[in-house]
Amino acid sequence: DAKTTQPPSMDCAEGRAANLPCNHSTISGNEYVYWYRQIHSQGPQYIIHGLKNNETNEMASLIITEDRKSSTLILPHATLRDTAVYYCIVSLNDYKLSFGAGTTVTVRA
Amino acid sequence: GAVVSQHPSRVICKSGTSVKIECRSLDFQATTMFWYRQFPKKSLMLMATSNEGSKATYEQGVEKDKFLINHASLTLSTLTVTSAHPEDSSFYICSAPVGKRLYEQYFGPGTRLTVT
Repeated sequence: DAKTTQPPSMDCAEGRAANLPCNHSTISGNEYVYWYRQIHSQGPQYIIHGLKNNETNEMASLIITEDRKSSTLILPHATLRDTAVYYCIVSLNDYKLSFGAGTTVTVRA
Repeated sequence: GAVVSQHPSRVICKSGTSVKIECRSLDFQATTMFWYRQFPKKSLMLMATSNEGSKATYEQGVEKDKFLINHASLTLSTLTVTSAHPEDSSFYICSAPVGKRLYEQYFGPGTRLTVT
C-alpha cells in the first residue's frame, strides 16, 4: 500500500472549518483514500473514503486532487468533540488498513 | 450503526499467565475480523486477520503461538495472549467490516492489558 504523510499536529478553533492535509504521492490507480479518527482511549471511527471524486457525508468532506497525490479532509464546523487523532490511509479495497502516525487535531474553544 | 464490543475493557494479569480477549459483532455477522495492538502514543499496528472457520493470518513479526486467535462463529473472535510478559502490555483493538461495505470498518472500544 502507498505511504501517506500527514502533519503531526494542528489546532483549530471551535466552530471553524478544519482542513486536514494528506500527501500520498505514490498512490496507485486502484487504491482508495480512507480517513479514520481515534478519540483518546477509544477504537478508531470511520469518517469517509474516496477514489477519485470528492466526497461528502454527514461528518466531513474529502477533496482529492486531480492527480490523486494528495487529499484534504474538511470538518466543516469543528467542535470540541472532534479533538482526536486523524488517520489518512491509502489501501486497496481489501479490508486491511495500515495506520500511520496521523494528525493530532486539537479543537480549542 | 454497527456495533463491535470487546471484553474485558481492562485486564491486569501476572507474568506467565494467559489472557483471553473477546471481540463480538453485536448486530451483524463478520466472517473477517482484525486484531490490532497500540502502544502508548503510538499508532495501531495490525497483528492478524481472523477468519471464521479457518486459521488466522498473522502479520510479519507477530508470533502465532503467542497470540492465539479463534474465530468460532460469525459474531465472535477471541485473542488469547499466552504466557504474557510485561512487554505484552498494550491496548488491543479489534475491528470488523460490515457486509459488502469493506471500506467501512467498525472498531471495538479496545482492551487495555497490563502485565505485572
